Amino acid sequence: DAKTTQPPSMDCAEGRAANLPCNHSTISGNEYVYWYRQIHSQGPQYIIHGLKNNETNEMASLIITEDRKSSTLILPHATLRDTAVYYCIVRAAGAGGTSYGKLTFGQGTILTVHP
Amino acid sequence: GAGVSQSPRYKVAKRGQDVALRCDPISGHVSLFWYQQALGQGPEFLTYFQNEAQLDKSGLPSDRFFAERPEGSVSTLKIQRTQQEDSAVYLCASSLTSGVHGEQYFGPGTRLTVT
Repeated sequence: DAKTTQPPSMDCAEGRAANLPCNHSTISGNEYVYWYRQIHSQGPQYIIHGLKNNETNEMASLIITEDRKSSTLILPHATLRDTAVYYCIVRAAGAGGTSYGKLTFGQGTILTVHP
Repeated sequence: GAGVSQSPRYKVAKRGQDVALRCDPISGHVSLFWYQQALGQGPEFLTYFQNEAQLDKSGLPSDRFFAERPEGSVSTLKIQRTQQEDSAVYLCASSLTSGVHGEQYFGPGTRLTVT
């Protein structure tokens, strides 16, 4: 799976949009971009994933650049409960191989939402 | 419905003791993963089960680590002769399908401290 690079930390004011960047310049054509987050003392939680089109769900939006070398996770109206470590993960698609869907976490971005 | 549960939530072991950590996945989930998370780091893959079959144990750090899922539901991670470097949070995740893109649901983890 391709390597990802994220800033170690970011701040955001409550109610504002939080934009979390991720670089994945070595991503290959069959690899998806996944985002998980981990709130303190909890297990990671799935947020969203995408291949090349922008995606939106009830939690967040995912914007992937046209060349797919970077992406941005957007939390449109951050709340204090969004304070967490956010992980950007590149994951191979398709059957075969021996990854079995395991997740390769990096260091992530610590997002702090302040009042 | 119930999510993934793990027990105990906290375990203190003296160096050299054996420990057993339990994971109850979401009912009906085919895939089960174990991860190890050291303080300040992202989770790292340990092993993967598809039903009762352990298909990948490439992440187990030594032969002191052993995992099983005999009936394809509950799983146990056993660590023999614990060492201080085994101190970490052990996370279990389950997924409905065996496909690469099954969303993984994580438990709260077991924090193991070896003294």
